[in-house]
Amino acid sequence: KAGVTQTPRYLIKTRGQQVTLSCSPISGHRSVSWYQQTPGQGLQFLFEYFSETQRNKGNFPGRFSGRQFSNSRSEMNVSTLELGDSALYLCASSHPRVGYNEQFFGPGTRLTVL
Amino acid sequence: DQQVKQNSPSLSVQEGRISILNCDYTNSMFDYFLWYKKYPAEGPTFLISISSIKDKNEDGRFTVFLNKSAKHLSLHIVPSQPGDSAVYFCAASAGETSGSRLTFGEGTQLTVNP
Repeated sequence: KAGVTQTPRYLIKTRGQQVTLSCSPISGHRSVSWYQQTPGQGLQFLFEYFSETQRNKGNFPGRFSGRQFSNSRSEMNVSTLELGDSALYLCASSHPRVGYNEQFFGPGTRLTVL
Repeated sequence: DQQVKQNSPSLSVQEGRISILNCDYTNSMFDYFLWYKKYPAEGPTFLISISSIKDKNEDGRFTVFLNKSAKHLSLHIVPSQPGDSAVYFCAASAGETSGSRLTFGEGTQLTVNP
């Protein structure tokens, strides 16, 4: 069974631009969560989507948004990029029934904002 | 506020010895705890979990202990192997209402020396 895939793996943008990251969950997984990892901050929860609806949201500004499609694939968007948005963005999927807290992570998208 | 804390940024042990990684939490609503391992350039990989109704869970070389009164959990790796060298994250979940949202600690870099 294929794992969680994220595209692109690396991205370089400049301040003020916007960016869209993509995540394809494990087949059959309907929950997709996004996390931001920065040095010294651990993994910070951004939001979770389940059946195309945002089910949970972390403490991030409105510049961070996401959506989920009917095939459970998800995208997250960051508008008006700031230097502090440079981070590793991780997507995780989970099955709604089996160990719903046990999330499976993709390799991440490394975003650098110049 | 940091609801999940891993106070040791790094830990170094000899191959064959025990590795003990610690984690403290403050939120009494957390009822499920997980440990993830992360290698550079990869997403976190699920290791082991424990429900708040238990105080110990074992899986091969990995054992997680939960002390609810102290709001403390630990991961024991016995015997430690060089391939265990990675960053270990402790994570917690606050029940079904939180969906798949996990709150992570800052991580502990484990180095197992041959």
